[in-house]
Amino acid sequence: DAKTTQPTSMDCAEGRAANLPCNHSTISGNEYVYWYRQIHSQGPQYIIHGLKNNETNEMASLIITEDRKSSTLILPHATLRDTAVYYCIVRVSGGAGSYQLTFGKGTKLSVIP
Amino acid sequence: EPEVTQTPSHQVTQMGQEVILRCVPISNHLYFYWYRQILGQKVEFLVSFYNNEISEKSEIFDDQFSVERPDGSNFTLKIRSTKLEDSAMYFCASSEQPGGDTQYFGPGTRLTVL
Repeated sequence: DAKTTQPTSMDCAEGRAANLPCNHSTISGNEYVYWYRQIHSQGPQYIIHGLKNNETNEMASLIITEDRKSSTLILPHATLRDTAVYYCIVRVSGGAGSYQLTFGKGTKLSVIP
Repeated sequence: EPEVTQTPSHQVTQMGQEVILRCVPISNHLYFYWYRQILGQKVEFLVSFYNNEISEKSEIFDDQFSVERPDGSNFTLKIRSTKLEDSAMYFCASSEQPGGDTQYFGPGTRLTVL
């Protein structure tokens, strides 16, 4: 799976959009970008994933650059409950992929009142 | 919304004792995983399991560890003789499809070895 680079930490004002970047310059054509988050010591929570098109669900939006070398997770209206560590993970999807998710250190997002 | 559940939420044991951590995966999922997170460190993959067999395991998953699906709903992780360094959060996950499919995690079991 391709390596990812994320900032160590970010702050965001409550109610504002939180934009979390991720670089994955060595991504392959069949690798997806996954985002998870971990609130305190709880289990990682799936947020969203995408291949090359932008994706949106009830939690967030995922913007992937045209060359797929980077992406941005957007939380449109951050709340205090969004304070967490956010992980960007690149991996092959479907039956050909490795079973394991490889977590890095992620970005610690602090939402400030 | 279906979710992965884990019991107990906290387990305290003496070094050398056996522990069994239990998980109930999402009901229509067929692929199961264990991860652990030592305090302050990254989440690490331990093992994946499908059709009553281990599909993939990491170097951490040595002979002290075993996994089992004893019935149609539970998925267990056994540590035969716990060591101090086994103290960690243990997370179970499940997915509908293998490989790169989305994995959904449980809330974790905090294991403390004294």
